[in-house]
Amino acid sequence: QVQLVQSGAEVKKPGASVKVSCKASGYTFTDYYIHWVRQAPGQGLEWMGWSNPNSGGSKYAQKFQGWVTMTRDTSISTAYMELSRLRSDDTAVYYCAIAVAGTFDVWGQGTMVSVSS
Amino acid sequence: QSALTQPASVSGSPGQSITISCTGTSSDVGGYNSVSWYQQYPGKAPKLMIYDVNNRPSGVSNRFSGSKSGNTASLTISGLQAEDEADYYCSSYTSSSTLWVFGGGTKLTLL
Repeated sequence: QVQLVQSGAEVKKPGASVKVSCKASGYTFTDYYIHWVRQAPGQGLEWMGWSNPNSGGSKYAQKFQGWVTMTRDTSISTAYMELSRLRSDDTAVYYCAIAVAGTFDVWGQGTMVSVSS
Repeated sequence: QSALTQPASVSGSPGQSITISCTGTSSDVGGYNSVSWYQQYPGKAPKLMIYDVNNRPSGVSNRFSGSKSGNTASLTISGLQAEDEADYYCSSYTSSSTLWVFGGGTKLTLL
C-alpha cells in the first residue's frame, strides 16, 4: 500500500539545522509532489511547501523562503526537508504528505523536532 | 493566527448532527473548489475526510459531508459516534504565495 515513513525525532539547539526524511513506498515516487506541513504543540497545521520528485523543483510558502530546503533522492524514493537557523518556535511535528486521489490523502507518521538550549 | 477561521470547539450528543464552519476569503475558500477537511486524533497524523468541497475518499463514512457557500465551507457529521470525537481542520488552495492554508482547528466533543 502507499506509505510514507519519516525519520525519527530530533533535538536541536537554537541556530542549528535539521533534516527530516520521508521515504515513499507502494507507488512510483516521481508521480506525486511531496508536501511538508508542520504542527506546533497544541496548534494548527501550517503548509510549508512542496517538492517535485520528478524535476527536483520546489515551491515554498513565503514565510519559509530562504530558510527551508526541500530535496529528494529518487534512487531511494526519499524526500528531505531541511530547516536552518532553528528557533524555539520551530518546535513542532513535521509531516510529509502526498495527494493521490484527493488533497493530502496520504501522510507520514510525523517527526517531532524539538529546539531548546 | 490561521488564515481560515473555524470555531474552536463544537459539541453534540451521540446520534445527533453537527456542522463545523470554515470561513476564508475570495482568494481561497470562495475562489476555488479545493476545500478539504481532516480529522486528527491526539498524537496521530491528520486523515483526509473530504476533498474538493464535497468528495469523500474511499473508506470514509457517508456520515461525513461537505459543502460551500461563498467564502464559507462546512463539514457536517451526521449520526455522531464516539469515534468522531477528534480535532477537525479545513484547508483550501489560495492564490497567495502560500498556496495552501489551513484553519485553526475545531475540537469536537461528544456529550
